[in-house]
Amino acid sequence: GNSVTQMEGPVTLSEEAFLTINCTYTATGYPSLFWYVQYPGEGLQLLLKATKADDKGSNKGFEATYRKETTSFHLEKGSVQVSDSAVYFCALSDRDTNAGKSTFGDGTTLTVKP
Amino acid sequence: EAQVTQNPRYLITVTGKKLTVTCSQNMNHEYMSWYRQDPGLGLRQIYYSMNVEVTDKGDVPEGYKVSRKEKRNFPLILESPSPNQTSLYFCASSPTWDRGLSGYGYTFGSGTRLTVV
Repeated sequence: GNSVTQMEGPVTLSEEAFLTINCTYTATGYPSLFWYVQYPGEGLQLLLKATKADDKGSNKGFEATYRKETTSFHLEKGSVQVSDSAVYFCALSDRDTNAGKSTFGDGTTLTVKP
Repeated sequence: EAQVTQNPRYLITVTGKKLTVTCSQNMNHEYMSWYRQDPGLGLRQIYYSMNVEVTDKGDVPEGYKVSRKEKRNFPLILESPSPNQTSLYFCASSPTWDRGLSGYGYTFGSGTRLTVV
């Protein structure tokens, strides 16, 4: 079946540091890939997505590139802010083989200190 | 305001006492889904619904029931809750499942923290 593996947290960075959160996946078809963000006490919000190989998703300074050869979708940001402190989830949905289903990673907690 | 509303936000109950967690969306979305979030296990899909009167099992459906009698509501029913169903539950919706994939994403509720003692 499908699966998503994220780097373990928590991750603690100083403001303006570079962020990478690793995400690798296993899927039987050709999935769409997503990053969601969850702020304290709230539900998840879509951060960015990519639907095919070599696509780059970007939003709010965050980027991730769909790498089919390495089955990865790593999240990056060049300069984090305190307001980026949240839990980040990598997710996939496979249109061809699992209509209606989505698979999420365990989540990575990011804390940014001033 | 476009939103997914879950109730209650917090619930403590006893083993075996039937309960319902409600989920309502005001966006006329066809697709709705329930997830549970547990430490170290991430989000796991319980049930989903592509449209009214159409529901399907996710990855962890045991011990749960759902219904979709009208488009806006998708309640999660625990007929006989057990302590292993203690978790944080999220409801999510999208215009269609396909649009959820195409970049629209899913709209999530704020969550229901359930404790079964």
